[in-house]
Amino acid sequence: DAKTTQPPSMDCAEGRAANLPCNHSTISGNEYVYWYRQIHSQGPQYIIHGLKNNETNEMASLIITEDRKSSTLILPHATLRDTAVYYCIVRASGSARQLTFGSGTQLTVLP
Amino acid sequence: DGGITQSPKYLFRKEGQNVTLSCEQNLNHDAMYWYRQDPGQGLRLIYYSQIVNDFQKGDIAEGYSVSREKKESFPLTVTSAQKNPTAFYLCASSIGGRGGTEAFFGQGTRLTVV
Repeated sequence: DAKTTQPPSMDCAEGRAANLPCNHSTISGNEYVYWYRQIHSQGPQYIIHGLKNNETNEMASLIITEDRKSSTLILPHATLRDTAVYYCIVRASGSARQLTFGSGTQLTVLP
Repeated sequence: DGGITQSPKYLFRKEGQNVTLSCEQNLNHDAMYWYRQDPGQGLRLIYYSQIVNDFQKGDIAEGYSVSREKKESFPLTVTSAQKNPTAFYLCASSIGGRGGTEAFFGQGTRLTVV
């Protein structure tokens, strides 16, 4: 599975949009981009995933560049409860292994 | 409610003892996984299972063992051979090994060996 690169930490003001970047320059054509988040001492929570097209759900939007070498997770109106570590992961279709987690980005939403 | 359950939430053991962590899911998922997380680190894969009666080693399987006798259960045993067993252990499940499907995680078991 392709490796991802994320900034170690980011801050965001409450109520503003949080834009979390991820580089995955070695991504293959059959690899999906997943985002999870982990609030302290809890299990990771699935947020969103995509292959080529931009995706949106009730939690967030995922913007994938045309060359698929990077993506951005957007939390449109960040709240204090969005403070967590956010993981960007790529996973091959048909892969027998599960998601490979890096160190992620610690997002801190400030009041 | 459907979900994945780990028990207990906190577990204490003496050094040299084996301990088994429970993971149960009622999502009818074929695939189940065990991860270990150390403070300030990401998750590392210990073992995974795609179907009943079959499982594969992950990146850090030494000192651990698993079984998959039932679809809904994937217990992890931390043996005395594991040199640094104190950690946060997470179990996950997914529909299968295909891309495009998300994994669901339990709330974890924090194991402390004294």
